[in-house]
Amino acid sequence: GAGVSQSPSNKVTEKGKDVELRCDPISGHTALYWYRQSLGQGLEFLIYFQGNSAPDKSGLPSDRFSAERTGGSVSTLTIQRTQQEDSAVYLCASSLSSGKGEQYFGPGTRLTVT
Amino acid sequence: AQSVAQPEDQVNVAEGNPLTVKCTYSVSGNPYLFWYVQYPNRGLQFLLKYITGDNLVKGSYGFEAEFNKSQTSFHLKKPSALVSDSALYFCAVRAQSPSNTGNQFYFGTGTSLTVIP
Repeated sequence: GAGVSQSPSNKVTEKGKDVELRCDPISGHTALYWYRQSLGQGLEFLIYFQGNSAPDKSGLPSDRFSAERTGGSVSTLTIQRTQQEDSAVYLCASSLSSGKGEQYFGPGTRLTVT
Repeated sequence: AQSVAQPEDQVNVAEGNPLTVKCTYSVSGNPYLFWYVQYPNRGLQFLLKYITGDNLVKGSYGFEAEFNKSQTSFHLKKPSALVSDSALYFCAVRAQSPSNTGNQFYFGTGTSLTVIP
């Protein structure tokens, strides 16, 4: 496809369950980013990948959050033992290069933890 | 601490009037600054960016922004607002991570712009 895609678009899960969110970046984009957008809040930067490596993971909220990227393309964000405060829209973006390049955002995954 | 601030949650402007959406930042080193727009029920879209060079940058849909280093600001402007400009606007900055291991990206909390017909 032409843009960044994310799946699922919506996810409802019970507290304590693990969830996996997927992001397919624009083909050829080497940089990939994950953000979290809570109701009434701005975007919270979580992590970015340059290629398959994540230079800085300090933005992840807790050790329940992890992310990986394989083949320089698809990325997954995993949240273990979900909590209600994890409920948010999780946005993925990609760009040609990290830093200078404008980011192209996907439609997001709305996560609801009950 | 590195951050971006959008001091106004809401901006209202009459159609045809000039608009300004404010943004200030606090980062170490030279900032890379961006504006994004989020239309209702649509994803975030890039508007414009400042990396280096001319302090006045022009972007999509007739928007422009001026980088002011002394005031650490990057306000978004448009000479004549349209009703279709009504949306949520986010200012963003790229900064070096505190550990110097890579980049971090800070977004403001967003400003809701309403253009009144």
